[in-house]
Amino acid sequence: GAVVSQHPSRVICKSGTSVKIECRSLDFQATTMFWYRQFPKQSLMLMATSNEGSKATYEQGVEKDKFLINHASLTLSTLTVTSAHPEDSSFYICSARSGGRNTGELFFGEGSRLTVL
Amino acid sequence: GENVEQHPSTLSVQEGDSAVIKCTYSDSASNYFPWYKQELGKGPQLIIDIRSNVGEKKDQRIAVTLNKTAKHFSLHITETQPEDSAVYFCAASNNAGGTSYGKLTFGQGTILTVHP
Repeated sequence: GAVVSQHPSRVICKSGTSVKIECRSLDFQATTMFWYRQFPKQSLMLMATSNEGSKATYEQGVEKDKFLINHASLTLSTLTVTSAHPEDSSFYICSARSGGRNTGELFFGEGSRLTVL
Repeated sequence: GENVEQHPSTLSVQEGDSAVIKCTYSDSASNYFPWYKQELGKGPQLIIDIRSNVGEKKDQRIAVTLNKTAKHFSLHITETQPEDSAVYFCAASNNAGGTSYGKLTFGQGTILTVHP
């Protein structure tokens, strides 16, 4: 089956630094990727929709200048948390769908746990 | 936008019993309803999904039912096993096309514990 890979799986950083998380579709081309955030014991909340070759679409309440999304190729989207603060500590999960499929099925990555000290 | 409510938040069953998790959605345009299993520290894994043109779907011990009129859908797990213990999420999506295609709205999650 399709595989979506995220890197790093865990990252610890100091407050004020920036952190980049990568999301790759390993065996299919993903024209669209989605970034979710999940706080402990809570559900997944959609942050933004990443479209290859165009600007990301952010959900209401998500700061686009803080969470920079780049989808430069059909297999890679990156999420950069800029000037991270402890409240940004969370589990970030990406999902991807192929432009060639019309099933609506999404493939999720394994998630990246960010801890900001 | 879409709103998905999921119940119960926790569910404890004995091995071999059945488990049922229910979700309701608000947007009548939603037409795709997947269920995900999430184990601790991992991303969600799709276990079954159903589309609005189908009322029921079954895959071995797992089944999902959909009532479009009432806007609710349910996950049924029979003959539960300890390895079924995890957090289960329902979700809804409108896959008719456009910018919302593939955007999932998740329920709050159900912590399922299967006791041996």
